[in-house]
Amino acid sequence: KQEVTQIPAALSVPEGENLVLNCSFTDSAIYNLQWFRQDPGKGLTSLLLIQSSQREQTSGRLNASLDKSSGRSTLYIAASQPGDSATYLCAVRHQTGANNLFFGTGTRLTVIP
Amino acid sequence: KAGVTQTPRYLIKTRGQQVTLSCSPISGHRSVSWYQQTPGQGLQFLFEYFSETQRNKGNFPGRFSGRQFSNSRSEMNVSTLELGDSALYLCASSVGSGANVLTFGAGSRLTVL
Repeated sequence: KQEVTQIPAALSVPEGENLVLNCSFTDSAIYNLQWFRQDPGKGLTSLLLIQSSQREQTSGRLNASLDKSSGRSTLYIAASQPGDSATYLCAVRHQTGANNLFFGTGTRLTVIP
Repeated sequence: KAGVTQTPRYLIKTRGQQVTLSCSPISGHRSVSWYQQTPGQGLQFLFEYFSETQRNKGNFPGRFSGRQFSNSRSEMNVSTLELGDSALYLCASSVGSGANVLTFGAGSRLTVL
């Protein structure tokens, strides 16, 4: 069974700092990997989706990388802002392509003004 | 373009009762997936429906069921509620399976007393 782990569980950084969130998964037979953010009590907002054949994806200040063979992905956030404070979740989709995502435990990010 | 709409947003039930949650996907999306989020277990996949057929099912007891209508709207039902069913239930829609990004709704928060 796929196990997805995110480290650290919580992170506090001062505004303006660059930061990296980590995601690791045990089964490399994935179709794609998706990063989400979740604000308290809210649903999930999709940030980036990386196909298994891709190495990275970028959107604005966000850059996600994928190393499928080693079972790792990172989410890089540049020039962090207080509005980035949220819980960040990574999720992998099995190579069958089915929509049952396996989610990580999340990293709770606090950006201090 | 309207997002994924879940109703009700909040509800309180007592043990032994049943509950029905509704999810209206983004127009044109034919796949609807359901997830349960709890502090202890995180996000776990319940089931996925596509064109009124259940395609995948997670590891939940038979008390959890769902269905999808011809307009792609989906409902999930939990019978004989237990305290442990208290959770945020999230619905996600996509055009289909595989490469498509999942778009999540805001969730239905169920409290079982």
